[in-house]
Amino acid sequence: QKEVEQNSGPLSVPEGAIASLNCTYSDRGSQSFFWYRQYSGKSPELIMSIYSNGDKEDGRFTAQLNKASQYVSLLIRDSQPSDSATYLCAVGPSGNTPLVFGKGTRLSVIA
Amino acid sequence: DGGITQSPKYLFRKEGQNVTLSCEQNLNHDAMYWYRQDPGQGLRLIYYSQIVNDFQKGDIAEGYSVSREKKESFPLTVTSAQKNPTAFYLCASSIVVAVTYEQYFGPGTRLTVT
Repeated sequence: QKEVEQNSGPLSVPEGAIASLNCTYSDRGSQSFFWYRQYSGKSPELIMSIYSNGDKEDGRFTAQLNKASQYVSLLIRDSQPSDSATYLCAVGPSGNTPLVFGKGTRLSVIA
Repeated sequence: DGGITQSPKYLFRKEGQNVTLSCEQNLNHDAMYWYRQDPGQGLRLIYYSQIVNDFQKGDIAEGYSVSREKKESFPLTVTSAQKNPTAFYLCASSIVVAVTYEQYFGPGTRLTVT
């Protein structure tokens, strides 16, 4: 059974701080990794994708991938109250199969 | 505008009735998916289709049925056999980027069955 694990939270950070969200996965053959943001009552929105080891930066967001440790993280710099949402980690398994989603981490940015 | 549309946004049905949820995309994506999300829960895959006229069961297919007669459309029928149909239903589609799939979601349909 391919699994993606996330801490459910809530993770509370003060406004302006760095929020760090973590995700581990079980399928060592996984090739693609995604972070989605889901506001309450809304559908998930793709915010970051990463395919190779290392860091990928996009604005205030940085995705980090370590395939040897089977670990993906999302850093949000200068956190804003509007970043308060649930963040879903998704992993693309080896082969032509659907993404496997974690249950999400709820982030709360306190003004 | 390109995107994924789901209709209706809210749907109310009586127990024992079948109901069909619509999902349409004009992104020219090959693959389409249906998920269910319950309060405080993660996404659970119901069905997916990677090509027209073909689809596969996901983790919780019992009580649901789908069709994929056109590339743009992937309707989901919630049958009376589904024990707990009240949930938030999400349709998604994906494009192949290199060796992987970037998957995008529609706005969802919230189904309430009483």
